[in-house]
Amino acid sequence: DVKVTQSSRYLVKRTGEKVFLECVQDMDHENMFWYRQDPGLGLRLIYFSYDVKMKEKGDIPEGYSVSREKKERFSLILESASTNQTSMYLCASRRPYSYRVESPYEQYFGPGTRLTVT
Amino acid sequence: AQSVSQHNHHVILSEAASLELGCNYSYGGTVNLFWYVQYPGQHLQLLLKYFSGDPLVKGIKGFEAEFIKSKFSFNLRKPSVQWSDTAEYFCAVMIHGSGNTGKLIFGQGTTLQVKP
Repeated sequence: DVKVTQSSRYLVKRTGEKVFLECVQDMDHENMFWYRQDPGLGLRLIYFSYDVKMKEKGDIPEGYSVSREKKERFSLILESASTNQTSMYLCASRRPYSYRVESPYEQYFGPGTRLTVT
Repeated sequence: AQSVSQHNHHVILSEAASLELGCNYSYGGTVNLFWYVQYPGQHLQLLLKYFSGDPLVKGIKGFEAEFIKSKFSFNLRKPSVQWSDTAEYFCAVMIHGSGNTGKLIFGQGTTLQVKP
């Protein structure tokens, strides 16, 4: 079973703090993703990484950065947290499309981190 | 820009009623289509997927979806819902990039509440 874990289920931070959200996957997936989930907006892609040390901006990267130093770990960083970054953050991983497996594109999600910025 | 639109934001049904959740996407290229479900307090998990071939795909728990290319649609159906189907449902489209790249674009989600 693929397992994607996130460091915290709930987090409360103050405005201006630097926040680190950690994600670890145990299936040797090259591709990893960070989304935020907000009611009525669905999941929106913040950043993604196709391999170690690679990163690409998603649809809403402003105010965020990422780090991928090891294949299994993908970190999301809020440089200076703001109240509009209060949200549920979901991490996901998957194999790249060149793998010959039944579900090459299935993304596996972590349980999410509910971040509140006060 | 590519987008995915789910028409129903909140659906309330009684048990045994039939379900159809609409999903339309805007992208002219090759797509792979997915429905994900998030039960209360649980991870987002895959319900079903379409890659190619038969446009009618069957997923877990009696769900199915039909890909209609001419309508850019991928609607989710279930003939008879149960209370345990209460969840949030997300339609998603895979937009392919170069090489092994590609990203999922999600719809806004539909909250389904099934009354016992």
